[in-house]
Amino acid sequence: GAGVSQSPSNKVTEKGKDVELRCDPISGHTALYWYRQSLGQGLEFLIYFQGNSAPDKSGLPSDRFSAERTGGSVSTLTIQRTQQEDSAVYLCASSSGAGGFGNQPQHFGDGTRLSIL
Amino acid sequence: SQQGEEDPQALSIQEGENATMNCSYKTSINNLQWYRQNSGRGLVHLILIRSNEREKHSGRLRVTLDTSKKSSSLLITASRAADTASYFCVTVGAGNNRKLIWGLGTSLAVNP
Repeated sequence: GAGVSQSPSNKVTEKGKDVELRCDPISGHTALYWYRQSLGQGLEFLIYFQGNSAPDKSGLPSDRFSAERTGGSVSTLTIQRTQQEDSAVYLCASSSGAGGFGNQPQHFGDGTRLSIL
Repeated sequence: SQQGEEDPQALSIQEGENATMNCSYKTSINNLQWYRQNSGRGLVHLILIRSNEREKHSGRLRVTLDTSKKSSSLLITASRAADTASYFCVTVGAGNNRKLIWGLGTSLAVNP
């Protein structure tokens, strides 16, 4: 498919475990964003990748959260020692990157619903 | 309070009526975007309006931007049941205030 792909769709895990969420952006898109959305809320920006530049990690809520983007394509968001408050839908979006941060429409995946027991 | 605040929080209308949603923000922006979200999952981009633009159209959608009032509106004309969704605005801060701030959304129900 030509859209943004996220996996898994759903993840249930026990408190204290580590989780990895994957995002496969649209081919050719240089910009990639991760967000978190809690029930009934707007999106909370987590991290932004643009090409080979250093990522903007200003939205990561704690040092338990990290993300990487290998080869300028697929990205992985890792949450270590998960807590119940980490339960949310994690959304990934990509864009052409032209004009820099937030300057182009973003294309979203369907998200990963993370539930911490 | 959070930048990018939409109102109303919820809106219920009949098919064929127009729906208007508003978004207010607090700081200077580079652009403002509207997105639609169905069933709490992926979002779909609707319109991007830049700070030097006042109005944009896309099909049945019309977006206005008033930078003096720091507000934007999204108008959906001749609404359809398929327009039922949550609508979010997001602002991209200008200059050194480079932030993406999402509102809490307006939940629109279009009744057949």
